[in-house]
Amino acid sequence: DSGVTQTPKHLITATGQRVTLRCSPRSGDLSVYWYQQSLDQGLQFLIQYYNGEERAKGNILERFSAQQFPDLHSELNLSSLELGDSALYFCASSLTGFQPQHFGDGTRLSIL
Amino acid sequence: KNEVEQSPQNLTAQEGEFITINCSYSVGISALHWLQQHPGGGIVSLFMLSSGKKKHGRLIATINIQEKHSSLHITASHPRDSAVYICAGLNTDKLIFGTGTRLQVFP
Repeated sequence: DSGVTQTPKHLITATGQRVTLRCSPRSGDLSVYWYQQSLDQGLQFLIQYYNGEERAKGNILERFSAQQFPDLHSELNLSSLELGDSALYFCASSLTGFQPQHFGDGTRLSIL
Repeated sequence: KNEVEQSPQNLTAQEGEFITINCSYSVGISALHWLQQHPGGGIVSLFMLSSGKKKHGRLIATINIQEKHSSLHITASHPRDSAVYICAGLNTDKLIFGTGTRLQVFP
């Protein structure tokens, strides 16, 4: 058990819809990372937050947004969903940016 | 060309064999992660290293900064080691992932 909790585990929705993925980091960790893993692209870094502030941005689409709340949990919002957004979305956390990351079990998003 | 490359892409082994997975990177990194992803999808961080060598049980990771190369070794491999192994370079707070090596160990 990594201590990182992601909900929901599975999400099935339709094109054009909006969903919110939630992540609770390991106790004490200040950094939260979001990753997307699709069959054709592999794992890709989306965005990092550190203690409530955006720290680094990767290949995150404009339709996607994220935030980290004062209690350090984070949410990834995906809107105007397309078939190509179907993927596993992982959240990870670490104490700082230079520590091993602990991964959640992921949210499997399926767009029909 | 990917900034982080792994080889081989697929690897099969008999139980007990010594396994080596290689990772080369072309970008500047401050550290390199080795991750293990099981068939169910869960990802476990195995190592994070910026120099030298680290060992945990039957797993050994090494990195050569000058040659921009890292290796993951598994000694006395076991079927439970079957998984995808992914290396990732830490580049200014962003992890850049390799495409993974799928390892299958047969009894």
